[in-house]
Amino acid sequence: GENVEQHPSTLSVQEGDSAVIKCTYSDSASNYFPWYKQELGKRPQLIIDIRSNVGEKKDQRIAVTLNKTAKHFSLHITETQPEDSAVYFCAASTNTGNQFYFGTGTSLTVIP
Amino acid sequence: GAVVSQHPSWVICKSGTSVKIECRSLDFQATTMFWYRQFPKQSLMLMATSNEGSKATYEQGVEKDKFLINHASLTLSTLTVTSAHPEDSSFYICSARDIQLYTDTQYFGPGTRLTVL
Repeated sequence: GENVEQHPSTLSVQEGDSAVIKCTYSDSASNYFPWYKQELGKRPQLIIDIRSNVGEKKDQRIAVTLNKTAKHFSLHITETQPEDSAVYFCAASTNTGNQFYFGTGTSLTVIP
Repeated sequence: GAVVSQHPSWVICKSGTSVKIECRSLDFQATTMFWYRQFPKQSLMLMATSNEGSKATYEQGVEKDKFLINHASLTLSTLTVTSAHPEDSSFYICSARDIQLYTDTQYFGPGTRLTVL
């Protein structure tokens, strides 16, 4: 089955700096890669996603890049703000079954 | 739109009892719902895929007789933890896909915190 690895597990940045979180996946059939933000005790919220036919996608301060050949994708947050502090999860999915396999999570702290 | 609810939000039970958790899609139909388990400060572990009108598909290592899943309608899936023990204490989260949107996006419920004494 799919194995998703995520790094780093914790990340601290100064407010205004950029944050980058990286994930790798093992199943070459995976073709959908969402990123979720989860605040303490709350449900995961989708923040951005990318399909395998696209190399990069951007939404305001958030961007995701995908390298299918290397089987890795990354989340980029620019101009970080304290409210960006949360745990971020990457996931990978295929058309078959549509199960999401999540990475281990990155706890992001933005220091004011 | 795309709201998923769970009930109860938290439950405390005695060891040996069974607990049922409901997952509902409030404003859309979901042929497929997913059940996850999350330990403190850890990732979401997929337990099973719940398909409306058919048997659930369980991930490797998840006991199907322990975690009973029923998906009787397009808006409701239930997870029953049978003969619960303290090691079953965890945060259980469901998610659902909106079949109308033709998208892979999953919308998550708020989770149910189960504590088994």
